[in-house]
Amino acid sequence: EAGVVQSPRYKIIEKKQPVAFWCNPISGHNTLYWYRQNLGQGPELLIRYENEEAVDDSQLPKDRFSAERLKGVDSTLKIQPAELGDSAVYLCASSSLSAGASEQYFGPGTRLTVT
Amino acid sequence: AQRVTQPEKLLSVFKGAPVELKCNYSYSGSPELFWYVQYSRQRLQLLLRHISRESIKGFTADLNKGETSFHLKKPFAQEEDSAMYYCALRGHNQGGKLIFGQGTELSVKP
Repeated sequence: EAGVVQSPRYKIIEKKQPVAFWCNPISGHNTLYWYRQNLGQGPELLIRYENEEAVDDSQLPKDRFSAERLKGVDSTLKIQPAELGDSAVYLCASSSLSAGASEQYFGPGTRLTVT
Repeated sequence: AQRVTQPEKLLSVFKGAPVELKCNYSYSGSPELFWYVQYSRQRLQLLLRHISRESIKGFTADLNKGETSFHLKKPFAQEEDSAMYYCALRGHNQGGKLIFGQGTELSVKP
């Protein structure tokens, strides 16, 4: 099993440019999470999906961030336009049961640098 | 407010020495507590959770509700234990949302 797959692994962009991250969860996992991890900090939840429904997006900065999970499998997180403060590692995680009853499996992350 | 605090950014010990990574939390209720580990160039992975009451790779953690702590301990550190360790909290009725501490880097020297 490949585990949670994320791409790209690294991305460098100039401020005001758009950027997108892609996540493929473990097969059969209906819950998908996007976290952001700033340098020297622990991960912070941005959005959680149950199948294709975003059930918790309270921490997502909706003025510039958007996410989608079409068909309840893969997910894309987008930033438009990017700001210097968006430089971070963006982690995707998935789990097999709703209501947080099971272990979350993390992807390798996408390291974003905004210059 | 829900919060997890790991007071040490870096903990350096010699091989064979005991290790204790501190974790304190703030939560109104009875949360689930976890320790996650990230080895160099690897992804974040679950080390142990308090409800399992298990020992993984020689590590144990006891939930102390009175002190709101969940310290991670190992009696004899090994070089392969060197990694980033994150304490995390999951509240009830909040789905799977994990609240992480800022992490402690453990360095075990030979």
